[in-house]
Amino acid sequence: SAVISQKPSRDICQRGTSLTIQCQVDSQVTMMFWYRQQPGQSLTLIATANQGSEATYESGFVIDKFPISRPNLTFSTLTVSNMSPEDSSIYLCSVEDGRQSRETQYFGPGTRLLVL
Amino acid sequence: GNSVTQMEGPVTLSEEAFLTINCTYTATGYPSLFWYVQYPGEGLQLLLKATKADDKGSNKGFEATYRKETTSFHLEKGSVQVSDSAVYFCALRTSYDKVIFGPGTSLSVIP
Repeated sequence: SAVISQKPSRDICQRGTSLTIQCQVDSQVTMMFWYRQQPGQSLTLIATANQGSEATYESGFVIDKFPISRPNLTFSTLTVSNMSPEDSSIYLCSVEDGRQSRETQYFGPGTRLLVL
Repeated sequence: GNSVTQMEGPVTLSEEAFLTINCTYTATGYPSLFWYVQYPGEGLQLLLKATKADDKGSNKGFEATYRKETTSFHLEKGSVQVSDSAVYFCALRTSYDKVIFGPGTSLSVIP
């Protein structure tokens, strides 16, 4: 399966600031996904990022708050803007690995964010 | 819409006990079904999957069978170990739509 890395692995931030999370994949993938996992909760899809097009956001998530870049087929960033304590979560990058099977998603290790 | 329901946790078992985590789903069409595992402090790992009715997914001693008639995909393991302590997520995906995750079931295995 694809090997996915994320930076930073964790961070503590002050409210009102922004944090950019990077996701790097060891192979070219068409679709990349960003999820949020609030403490003790399941995963919620934030957006789908395809290379060369605008990200598609799920209900409840907007581009101004969570801008996403997808400059090439191996890399994406998610920015959490104007943070508040409610943004404290684990943020996970995910990809489809077309070499395996398109319906399966694989996940990065996550970025643990605490907003004070 | 599509949804996944899992048994409530947390589940606490003694080492070598038998494990069952129930998962049922509601979906239009014919979904693929997955179990993901999240070890403490880590991201999600794909544990096993099944893509059509009566398929059995298996990995690391875990098994789950895709039961279309009962819309279920229960996770089982014959003898759990302390290292199996984690949160387990059942999930489905239909025709390249987004993945729908269940709420997760926390498992603690005590020596």
